[in-house]
Amino acid sequence: ELKVEQNPLFLSMQEGKNYTIYCNYSTTSDRLYWYRQDPGKSLESLFVLLSNGAVKQEGRLMASLDTKARLSTLHITAAVHDLSATYFCAVDIYGTDKLIFGTGTRLQVFP
Amino acid sequence: EPEVTQTPSHQVTQMGQEVILRCVPISNHLYFYWYRQILGQKVEFLVSFYNNEISEKSEIFDDQFSVERPDGSNFTLKIRSTKLEDSAMYFCASSPRTGYEKLFFGSGTQLSVL
Repeated sequence: ELKVEQNPLFLSMQEGKNYTIYCNYSTTSDRLYWYRQDPGKSLESLFVLLSNGAVKQEGRLMASLDTKARLSTLHITAAVHDLSATYFCAVDIYGTDKLIFGTGTRLQVFP
Repeated sequence: EPEVTQTPSHQVTQMGQEVILRCVPISNHLYFYWYRQILGQKVEFLVSFYNNEISEKSEIFDDQFSVERPDGSNFTLKIRSTKLEDSAMYFCASSPRTGYEKLFFGSGTQLSVL
């Protein structure tokens, strides 16, 4: 069974600081996704990572993928309050049509 | 930007009642999904649907659940006899094709079973 684990589960950080969220998964996968969810809201797609070594950046967020280590990271640079949300990674099971989500990382950015 | 729409946004029902959750996927999309999220927990896959049939389903998606695309635009999830543990946020999603594409999620239906 594919397992997807994120850490930390909760992250409280000061504005202007940098931090990294980690996503480990247990078996081979084609693609890794990062989603953002604001409280009571839907899931907003941030990144889709398709191959080993893939790196994507959008604003203060940068995601990378190491398929050999089965690890993805979401790096936050110079955090601002607007980044406060829950971040989920998700992995699809090779050859299937479904995503397995991680446990989520709840990020709070304070002044 | 096109979006997936879901109705209702909130649904309250009594245990044992049937509920139908409705979704209108993005018009040129071909793959459709239901996911659910119990409060404070991770998002869980329920079912995927393509070419008018189920392509994948999870263990959660038992005989009490069914999906349908009745008219070429709507995509529905029916729970025949709701249980307390069915209380969750249900998200519909769609994609133009499988593989290498992100899923577009709707805003969700919060189902509360009393």
